Amino acid sequence: AQKVTQAQTEISVVEKEDVTLDCVYETRDTTYYLFWYKQPPSGELVFLIRRNSFDEQNEISGRYSWNFQKSTSSFNFTITASQVVDSAVYFCALSEANFGNEKLTFGTGTRLTIIP
Amino acid sequence: GAGVSQTPSNKVTEKGKYVELRCDPISGHTALYWYRQSLGQGPEFLIYFQGTGAADDSGLPNDRFFAVRPEGSVSTLKIQRTERGDSAVYLCASRYRLAGGYEQYFGPGTRLTVT
Repeated sequence: AQKVTQAQTEISVVEKEDVTLDCVYETRDTTYYLFWYKQPPSGELVFLIRRNSFDEQNEISGRYSWNFQKSTSSFNFTITASQVVDSAVYFCALSEANFGNEKLTFGTGTRLTIIP
Repeated sequence: GAGVSQTPSNKVTEKGKYVELRCDPISGHTALYWYRQSLGQGPEFLIYFQGTGAADDSGLPNDRFFAVRPEGSVSTLKIQRTERGDSAVYLCASRYRLAGGYEQYFGPGTRLTVT
């Protein structure tokens, strides 16, 4: 069975600080995919990144970066120089490569508040 | 282009009533998913369609829940004899590629309140 753990329920930082959101996952599959989604106050889930289990390269996109480490089953997300617009709930998710049925298993989310 | 749309955006119903929730996926997306998100939780998988057929309904909580996708596009989630515990946001998502870990695009959800 798959499981995603986001131990940080809520985080508050002052604007312009860096912040890292933790994600730990469990799966028996050797091929799987990891995702991060953002859910702003409006409620709609916004896709941020997808990572294949065979690709452990870290990725940077503007102020966002992701650190994938298979050895510790972690896929952490860092926001650099945070902004008020980054305030949202962030979900880490996992899907197994299962003949096209790549249903997502989500963590419980981390609520990030950026204080101006 | 148009994203995933869901109607209604809000639905209030009395305990014991029947409700239908509709999802219009992105045109051309063959995979469609329903999830349920309770307050303070992450979305939980309910059912997956590939084309017209329900390929995986293992997430449906009981036989009061049913979903269809008769023409491989629009899907309807049906809940019979609603209970207060069914109150949640019901999310629909669609995906373009058959496989390969491509992202699911989510709709805005239907907030169901059972009184």
